[in-house]
Amino acid sequence: DAGVIQSPRHEVTEMGQEVTLRCKPISGHNSLFWYRQTMMRGLELLIYFNNNVPIDDSGMPEDRFSAKMPNASFSTLKIQPSEPRDSAVYFCASRARDSPLGNEKLFFGSGTQLSVL
Amino acid sequence: QQQVKQSPQSLIVQKGGISIINCAYENTAFDYFPWYQQFPGKGPALLIAIRPDVSEKQEGRFTISFNKSAKQFSLHIMDSQPGDSATYFCAAPTTSGTYKYIFGTGTRLKVLA
Repeated sequence: DAGVIQSPRHEVTEMGQEVTLRCKPISGHNSLFWYRQTMMRGLELLIYFNNNVPIDDSGMPEDRFSAKMPNASFSTLKIQPSEPRDSAVYFCASRARDSPLGNEKLFFGSGTQLSVL
Repeated sequence: QQQVKQSPQSLIVQKGGISIINCAYENTAFDYFPWYQQFPGKGPALLIAIRPDVSEKQEGRFTISFNKSAKQFSLHIMDSQPGDSATYFCAAPTTSGTYKYIFGTGTRLKVLA
C-alpha cells in the first residue's frame, strides 16, 4: 500500500492567490482528516470527513478555507484567497473503516509545505 | 479549552540512555492515549498507545506509563538510538471514543551517537 498520498509536497504562492491541496487516502479507509501544523500552534484538526461527508469543520480557520471529498479516494483543501499567516504544513490523515475500540490509528501523509509570500 | 501539556520541548540523550517525555491532560473522559513519532519531512506515525485500564504498556524499547490519578502519561525510550531522533507527540481524544484528538506541542529528541 502506498499510504496516504498528498500533493504537492511544496507550494509557494503569493498572497491573494488560490491554493489547492490534494489528498488520496488509503484504500478502504472511510475517515479522512485535514490537519495543519505550525510551530506556534502545533497540530490542529481542520476538518473531519466520514464516508465522504464532512462531520466536523469547526477547526477551519475562516471562510477562506474549504474542503471537499467528492469520493472515497480523493479530497481537497482549498484556500482562497491565501494569506501569509496560512503558511504551514498541511497534513491529510486517514483511518480504517470501523476502527475497533483501542485501534484508533491515524495514517498521515507526508504533508504539503505551504509558503504564502 | 481542553489541553494536553507536553514536556520537555526538546531533549538530548546519549546513545544507550533513557529518554522520558511527559504529558498531562485535563479531561477525565480521555480514554485513549497514543504517541506519534515524526521524522523531518514526514507525517506523524503512530508509535504506541495505551488505554487507562492498564498502567503500563511496552512494545520493544518503547514503554508508556499511565498515572490516572495524576492525569499524566509518559513515554520511555530505553536504550535510545540515534535513529530515534525525531519529534514525539502525545495525543488524547477530546471526548470518549471520538475522532477528535488534541495533540501535545511535541518534543524534539536528539540522540547523540
